Amino acid sequence: KAGVTQTPRYLIKTRGQQVTLSCSPISGHRSVSWYQQTPGQGLQFLFEYFSETQRNKGNFPGRFSGRQFSNSRSEMNVSTLELGDSALYLCASSFNQAGTEAFFGQGTRLTVV
Amino acid sequence: AQRVTQPEKLLSVFKGAPVELKCNYSYSGSPELFWYVQYSRQRLQLLLRHISRESIKGFTADLNKGETSFHLKKPFAQEEDSAMYYCALSATSGTYKYIFGTGTRLKVLA
Repeated sequence: KAGVTQTPRYLIKTRGQQVTLSCSPISGHRSVSWYQQTPGQGLQFLFEYFSETQRNKGNFPGRFSGRQFSNSRSEMNVSTLELGDSALYLCASSFNQAGTEAFFGQGTRLTVV
Repeated sequence: AQRVTQPEKLLSVFKGAPVELKCNYSYSGSPELFWYVQYSRQRLQLLLRHISRESIKGFTADLNKGETSFHLKKPFAQEEDSAMYYCALSATSGTYKYIFGTGTRLKVLA
């Protein structure tokens, strides 16, 4: 069974631009979460989607947004990019049940210059 | 508030020495606890979960509800254990979600 797929793997953008990242979850998984990973801050929760609805949101500015489609695929968008947005963005999918494993994608490495 | 705390950002030990990566949680209920690991150039993956009470790659973790802790232990560290370790909590009631700690980087020195 295919794992969680994130595209693109690498991105370089300039300050002020916007970016859209994509995540395809494992087939049958309806919960998709996004995380920002940086060396200094570790893994920080951005938001979680289930059945096209945002159920949880982390402490990030409104420039960070996301959505989920009917096939459970998810996108996240960052507008007005800042240098500090440079990070590895990870997507994870899971069944909508407590105690089940979260499966992570390889991530998208975003560099803002 | 629901929270997972990993107090150490970096832990360095010598090969063959015991390892303990600390994890404390705050949750008003009975959560499911996990340890995830990320080796260099690999994706984040599940190491073990408390409910299965298993030992993976020599690692064990015991849930201590009184101390709200879920520390990860290994009696003899190996160089290949060097990685980033994340403790995580899955809520068992209310709005389902995963909460991760900020991670501990383990370096096993030769």
